[in-house]
Amino acid sequence: QLLESGGGLVQPGGSLRLSCAGSGFTFTSQAMSWVRQAPGKGLEWVSGISGGGGDTYYADSVKGRFTISRDNSKSTLYLEMNSLRAEDTAVYYCAKKANSGWYFDYWGQGTLVTVSS
Amino acid sequence: EIVMTQSPATLSVSPGERATLSCRATQGVGSNLAWYHQKPGQAPSLLIYGASTRAPGIPARFSGSGSGTEFTLTISGLQSEDFSIYYCQQYNNWPLTFGGGTKVEIK
Repeated sequence: QLLESGGGLVQPGGSLRLSCAGSGFTFTSQAMSWVRQAPGKGLEWVSGISGGGGDTYYADSVKGRFTISRDNSKSTLYLEMNSLRAEDTAVYYCAKKANSGWYFDYWGQGTLVTVSS
Repeated sequence: EIVMTQSPATLSVSPGERATLSCRATQGVGSNLAWYHQKPGQAPSLLIYGASTRAPGIPARFSGSGSGTEFTLTISGLQSEDFSIYYCQQYNNWPLTFGGGTKVEIK
């Protein structure tokens, strides 16, 4: 199970930190990602991180503004979001990478981030 | 960046009929292609990976085919729970990219 939290309303230029608590699997050994979906739009991959946290990956649209991290002792994934823009408004899903490639076999229910003044 | 294009955007199908969805990549992704479906208000759910392997618990009426740049998802004998939005995703190159989706609606 994956359970996101931390979404909410934030002003443009503001910051927010999302969390995703994992359970029911060996969190430490699983790479994870964040995927977002703007209202009424399709899916957009945002960021990914290896099981140990040493390798991180970002979409160009968030590079330099967002930081993905994890605390394996707490089985929790994070997304630190800075310099937020209106176009970052979306439901943010955390997703577990499958064993055989960077596709996603488990998804959380998502947390809504709204960037508006 | 590899752009994934899905067609059609909307597909109207009667229950019991077959639906054929297309996904095209701007460059070859081998067989590193996954399909998901998503119902309104819910998270996406994995259907197919490796272009043609059904995820655990996915019924045999779902089948995937293709490699390189052209992929197809076929749903044989559409049931009521199959009317939703379908997305393809390539995982051959960074950044990971999704198609824009195909909505399968009841005709």
